[in-house]
Parts: sequence; structure tokens; C-alpha cells
Amino acid sequence: ETGVTQSPTHLIKTRGQQVTLRCSSQSGHNTVSWYQQALGQGPQFIFQYYREEENGRGNFPPRFSGLQFPNYSSELNVNALELDDSALYLCASSPTGRLNYGYTFGSGTRLTVV
Amino acid sequence: DQQVKQNSPSLSVQEGRISILNCDYTNSMFDYFLWYKKYPAEGPTFLISISSIKDKNEDGRFTVFLNKSAKHLSLHIVPSQPGDSAVYFCAASGMSGSARQLTFGSGTQLTVLP
Repeated sequence: ETGVTQSPTHLIKTRGQQVTLRCSSQSGHNTVSWYQQALGQGPQFIFQYYREEENGRGNFPPRFSGLQFPNYSSELNVNALELDDSALYLCASSPTGRLNYGYTFGSGTRLTVV
Repeated sequence: DQQVKQNSPSLSVQEGRISILNCDYTNSMFDYFLWYKKYPAEGPTFLISISSIKDKNEDGRFTVFLNKSAKHLSLHIVPSQPGDSAVYFCAASGMSGSARQLTFGSGTQLTVLP
């Protein structure tokens, strides 16, 4: 059983550019969530996808957008990058309704905006 | 507005002793609580969870206690081992639209000394 894989692991972008981060869900998991973890803080919920639709969003502006594909893999897109977008971006997958063992997280993509 | 707080950024414990990590929350709508462990360069790993209708859940060396009236939970690790050294995040689960969202604390760095 494969876990959650994210690519790339590290990325450096310039302010104003656009970035796409990718995530492959754990086998059997149909729900994908994205989190942003700034330095010294806990992960913050960006949004969640279920059946290729966004079904919940945290306090993030519209320039953060996503996609989920029929194989449940997902992308996070960030437009007009700002310096404060520098963070670790984590993808988490879960089978719907299964809370008792939590979400499975990937190792993350470290984004640096300069 | 931090809905989940971990007030101790760090904790050092001697090997074999008990480690107690604490977490407070403000939102009474949270219905599930989870603890995650995170090593550097890895994503958070699920450790243990507890439903809001319970006050204790045990899994091997790990026990989580929930005090709903005080909006407080704690993770006990007995006995502590050097391999337990990591950042521990408390997370609370609740609904955001149709999505189940995790709200994390800022983490506690646990160091178990040999």
C-alpha cells in the first residue's frame, strides 16, 4: 500500500509567478486536503476535494486553487506568488468518513518565494 | 484567533519517564481530536485520536485524555523513549462547509534524553 506522495520536494519561485504542486493520494482514499505550514506554526487548512469538487475552504484567497482528478490525485495552484506564501505545503488523503485513524499526510513541498 | 493552542513550544523528559503534552481549544463544535507526530523532512504521522464523547483513549504507550468542560486534552507517553523525540501536533476536527477540516496547534518539540 503506497502512501501519499508529493512533488516536487523543494521549489524556489519569484514573487508574482505561478506555481503548481502535485499530490498522489494513498490507495483507496478519495478525499484530498491541502494544508500550508509556515515556519514555527501548525498546518493550516487550505481546501478539500471530494469527487473532483472543492467541498470546503479555509481562510485563503482565490489565488489558491486546486484540482482533483478521477484517480483522486490532486494539484494545488497558487497565482501571483507573495513572499508570505513561502511555507511547507502538505497534502493529506483520507477515505470518506473514516476519522478514527486520521488523515495520511505526504512529506510536503517546501516552497520558497524570493 | 487560535482555536487550538499548545502553550509549551518544547518539553524535555528523561528516558523511561512520562511525557505529558497539553492542548487547549476554544470551539465547542469540534467533535474529534487527534495527535500527530512530525519528524524533520517528513509529513505529520497520525498517532492517536479521541471522539468528543469519550474522555480517554489508550494505544500501547500512548494515552489521550479529554476534558470537555475545560476544553483541554493531553497526550501521555509512558515510558518515553529517545525515538519519541519529535514535534507533536494537537489537531481538532470539525466541519468547514461539506469538508471535514483539521485545525492544528503550533506544536510541541519533545526531546527524550537517554
